Amino acid sequence: DTGVSQDPRHKITKRGQNVTFRCDPISEHNRLYWYRQTLGQGPEFLTYFQNEAQLEKSRLLSDRFSAERPKGSFSTLEIQRTEQGDSAMYLCASNRARFLVFGPGTRLTVL
Amino acid sequence: DQQVKQNSPSLSVQEGRISILNCDYTNSMFDYFLWYKKYPAEGPTFLISISSIKDKNEDGRFTVFLNKSAKHLSLHIVPSQPGDSAVYFCAAQTGANNLFFGTGTRLTVIP
Repeated sequence: DTGVSQDPRHKITKRGQNVTFRCDPISEHNRLYWYRQTLGQGPEFLTYFQNEAQLEKSRLLSDRFSAERPKGSFSTLEIQRTEQGDSAMYLCASNRARFLVFGPGTRLTVL
Repeated sequence: DQQVKQNSPSLSVQEGRISILNCDYTNSMFDYFLWYKKYPAEGPTFLISISSIKDKNEDGRFTVFLNKSAKHLSLHIVPSQPGDSAVYFCAAQTGANNLFFGTGTRLTVIP
């Protein structure tokens, strides 16, 4: 399978806990993006990497959020001290050309 | 503020007829426009795109029209099929950077 994969697919956590998600992009894609989608909304940009460099961060990415792509391959998105408002689908995407290929997403539920 | 807008949250169409999904944008710097299709519990999948230097792009049953003066684009699906039932997102981009998405239109094709 040469698509974008994300793990886990679902995560339920209690408010105040930390969570970490992983994304494995398509291997030849050098750009990797994180988006968040809430009910009734389109995907909203969080951050993106070109290789291992984090080039842009949205103002949606509060200081409780951190993303890494240590070797320019897979990426992790960590949310510290989760809040109920963090409940959403977290989507990862990668690209080399103009269009993004999305993974299946990680659905986070914060109780 | 929402730079890409899809003002129709839902659309129902009879099988075999034409589906027309509309999208408006506000940022005149957008130079590339895309349509994504999303099924429940999956990430968005790329459908069709158009560069700002064109006013039409066709791929099988799918055609995208761009009216730059009106900052409007539309996706036509002819003929519509039940398998086309999904949420359709319009997205826009400046350069090869992140995508700005609309809020989506849920298309239901009635057999």
